[in-house]
Amino acid sequence: AQTVTQSQPEMSVQEAETVTLSCTYDTSESNYYLFWYKQPPSRQMILVIRQEAYKQQNATENRFSVNFQKAAKSFSLKISDSQLGDTAMYFCAFMRGGATNKLIFGTGTLLAVQP
Amino acid sequence: EPEVTQTPSHQVTQMGQEVILRCVPISNHLYFYWYRQILGQKVEFLVSFYNNEISEKSEIFDDQFSVERPDGSNFTLKIRSTKLEDSAMYFCASRRPPGQADTQYFGPGTRLTVL
Repeated sequence: AQTVTQSQPEMSVQEAETVTLSCTYDTSESNYYLFWYKQPPSRQMILVIRQEAYKQQNATENRFSVNFQKAAKSFSLKISDSQLGDTAMYFCAFMRGGATNKLIFGTGTLLAVQP
Repeated sequence: EPEVTQTPSHQVTQMGQEVILRCVPISNHLYFYWYRQILGQKVEFLVSFYNNEISEKSEIFDDQFSVERPDGSNFTLKIRSTKLEDSAMYFCASRRPPGQADTQYFGPGTRLTVL
C-alpha cells in the first residue's frame, strides 16, 4: 500500500522569504503522480502543483516549485517570496496512474507566514 | 474557469437522520470522487465513481453510504443513518477523461455536523 509522510506538522516563515515543505512517499508503482494541495482557513482544497513521476524535470508554478527525488521517494515544495496569503495547511498527495485512482494524502503541514 | 460546486456548505443533522450531500462536477469530467476530512486530520478517500458505477471504495464507505448520479450534472453522497463520528468536511472532486490532465479538482466542501 502507498503511504505519504509529512514530517513537519507546523512551519513558520517571514514574509518575502523562502520556505521548503517536506514530503516522502512509499510505493512500488512506476506510474504515478504527486501533488501539493493548499487548504486555507476556508478549508477549500486548492491545487498548488503537480508532478508526473516519469518526468525528470521538476515542476514549477510561479513562486512554487518542487524538488522531486524519485530514487529517494521525496517530493518537497519550495515557496519563494512568501506572502501572507500563503498561510494555509499544505497537503502532499500521491496518486497511482490510472483513470479512477484515488488520492492518498499526507497529514499536512501548517504554514504560517509572518509579516 | 469551471468549478466543482457543492451544496449545502454546512449541514447540521441529528444522529440517526439521513443526509444527502450534493455536488455538481465540472461539466466535461467523467470521474467523480468523495473524500472526507475530520477536523484536524488528513483528507481520506471514500469512493470513486465512473460510468454510473462505483470504481473503488474505502473501508469507511460502508453500507450506510451510497452515491448516485441521478442526472447528467449532479453527483450525490447519501448517509442513511448518521452517527456522531460522521461529523466531518466532505469534499467532492472530479477529473477529466483519460489522456488529459490527471488532476482532481475539488469542490469547496460541505461541513457536516451530527448532533
